Amino acid sequence: AQKVTQAQTEISVVEKEDVTLDCVYETRDTTYYLFWYKQPPSGELVFLIRRNSFDEQNEISGRYSWNFQKSTSSFNFTITASQVVDSAVYFCALSERTQGGSEKLVFGKGTKLTVNP
Amino acid sequence: DTEVTQTPKHLVMGMTNKKSLKCEQHMGHRAMYWYKQKAKKPPELMFVYSYEKLSINESVPSRFSPECPNSSLLNLHLHALQPEDSALYLCASSRDLFYTGELFFGEGSRLTVL
Repeated sequence: AQKVTQAQTEISVVEKEDVTLDCVYETRDTTYYLFWYKQPPSGELVFLIRRNSFDEQNEISGRYSWNFQKSTSSFNFTITASQVVDSAVYFCALSERTQGGSEKLVFGKGTKLTVNP
Repeated sequence: DTEVTQTPKHLVMGMTNKKSLKCEQHMGHRAMYWYKQKAKKPPELMFVYSYEKLSINESVPSRFSPECPNSSLLNLHLHALQPEDSALYLCASSRDLFYTGELFFGEGSRLTVL
């Protein structure tokens, strides 16, 4: 079965520090997708990125960057120059194909990031 | 502003009550989802609708009854709930069932069962 491990339960940093959120996954599928979602205190989950298993290029979007390493089954997320607004719970997720042929997401337990001024 | 709207934002109900949660999206998405999230836990999938038909039911107790009247609306009917059903209920949508990754979530309905 698919599994996503986010070993860091909570991280606290001071504004402008860089911070990396770790994600390690397990899957038997050869084709799969990895995701990061952000959940601010307001409650809704916000989609950040989707990465397919054939694309190992790292991606940068503003202050956010993602490092996908298939060899270590990791998909880590780095926030550069963190800001207070980055405070949220961040979930890593992995696609899982169901018996009916559709897909659903398997979420990690989440990492709560607190950025202090 | 979120493009998936959920009402009510907060709901308190007794174990004998019948209530409904509502979800609406106008992005033309054809797949809609209900998730349940307990405090400090990840979301857990409950139901998935694709083109207004129930596609996935994650063995959810029958006291939760989903309904998809049209492609823009998703309801969750609640009856005879237990206190342990208290949670944040999140609705989400995606372009279609096989594009589940890029989900658009609402802000959730926080349910308290007394």
